[in-house]
Amino acid sequence: AQSVTQPDIHITVSEGASLELRCNYSYGATPYLFWYVQSPGQGLQLLLKYFSGDTLVQGIKGFEAEFKRSQSSFNLRKPSVHWSDAAEYFCAVQSGGGADGLTFGKGTHLIIQP
Amino acid sequence: DVKVTQSSRYLVKRTGEKVFLECVQDMDHENMFWYRQDPGLGLRLIYFSYDVKMKEKGDIPEGYSVSREKKERFSLILESASTNQTSMYLCASSSPGGQRNEKLFFGSGTQLSVL
Repeated sequence: AQSVTQPDIHITVSEGASLELRCNYSYGATPYLFWYVQSPGQGLQLLLKYFSGDTLVQGIKGFEAEFKRSQSSFNLRKPSVHWSDAAEYFCAVQSGGGADGLTFGKGTHLIIQP
Repeated sequence: DVKVTQSSRYLVKRTGEKVFLECVQDMDHENMFWYRQDPGLGLRLIYFSYDVKMKEKGDIPEGYSVSREKKERFSLILESASTNQTSMYLCASSSPGGQRNEKLFFGSGTQLSVL
């Protein structure tokens, strides 16, 4: 069965500093990988996704993520965070074949310090 | 603008009550999902449906059932609510298209409290 691990429950970053959120997955074949963001009181919004091809994917709001098969990782990065980036971030994986839902990690809560 | 609408933002019910959570999407999507979200546990899939009158169990279906009589509506049913079902419930939909579940669209969630 597929699984997703987000090792960091909370991360605190100063405004303007760079950010990296870690995500490791467990899946036999090439997975479909996603990052979602959830702002307080909101539903989840897709930041970016990886299906195949270029392993560095660009998303919305200045985020990017890199798929590294050798490390089973799909880390999310942003060069300079803004206070509005404070939110909960979820990494998710889906097996390539079916219509079944995504498997989500437990989330990383991002706190931005002024 | 695409929309997934959950009928209630907050709901308070008593133990043993039958509870219906409604979700409607206006994107003509085939696939619909119910997740519950709990602090420290992330999102866990309860049930999903890939067509009208079709349903599949997710990772934690116990204590829940679903109904999909129309393509745009997917209902989650708690037959006899219990306190451990207090949670945030998120509905989502997607269209298979060229790659299945290319993007999930989420509703804003229903915070259910069972007393």
